[in-house]
Amino acid sequence: AQKVTQAQTEISVVEKEDVTLDCVYETRDTTYYLFWYKQPPSGELVFLIRRNSFDEQNEISGRYSWNFQKSTSSFNFTITASQVVDSAVYFCALRETSGSRLTFGEGTQLTVNP
Amino acid sequence: GAGVSQSPSNKVTEKGKDVELRCDPISGHTALYWYRQSLGQGLEFLIYFQGNSAPDKSGLPSDRFSAERTGGSVSTLTIQRTQQEDSAVYLCASSSAVAGLGNEQFFGPGTRLTVL
Repeated sequence: AQKVTQAQTEISVVEKEDVTLDCVYETRDTTYYLFWYKQPPSGELVFLIRRNSFDEQNEISGRYSWNFQKSTSSFNFTITASQVVDSAVYFCALRETSGSRLTFGEGTQLTVNP
Repeated sequence: GAGVSQSPSNKVTEKGKDVELRCDPISGHTALYWYRQSLGQGLEFLIYFQGNSAPDKSGLPSDRFSAERTGGSVSTLTIQRTQQEDSAVYLCASSSAVAGLGNEQFFGPGTRLTVL
């Protein structure tokens, strides 16, 4: 069965610090998709990125970057020069191609202090 | 275009009553999902609809839970004889892809259900 683990329950940083959110996953499928979602205090889940299991290229989007390593089953998310507006709960999720559901990690509460 | 919408935004009910939660997916999205977010349980998959195929109901926690999707668009999640442990935020999501293609799911704002 699939599983996603986000070991960091809460992280607190000061504005402009870099921060990395960890995500480790388990799956028996050889083809799967990984996602990151952001849930700000307003509550709505916002899609950030999708990665398929065949593409291990790291991706950068502005201050956000993602490091996908199949060898360690990890899909970590780094925010560079964090800002107060980055404060939110961040979820990592897995979708196997053999199924339909997203399996979410428990989420990491990120607080960026001014 | 509009995103996924859900109604009501908040629902307070008494234990034992039935409730209906509504979801309007993004126009043209063929896939619709229901999830539940509660303290201590995280985000849990409930049910998935794709076009005219039989829904994947494997995440429904009990037979008190059911869902329909009429005309391939609007969906209603019904909880019968509500219990206090049903209190949670119920999230609806839609996507344009069939299972296996991994397109992102777009989430609605959720319905916060409180069972007294």
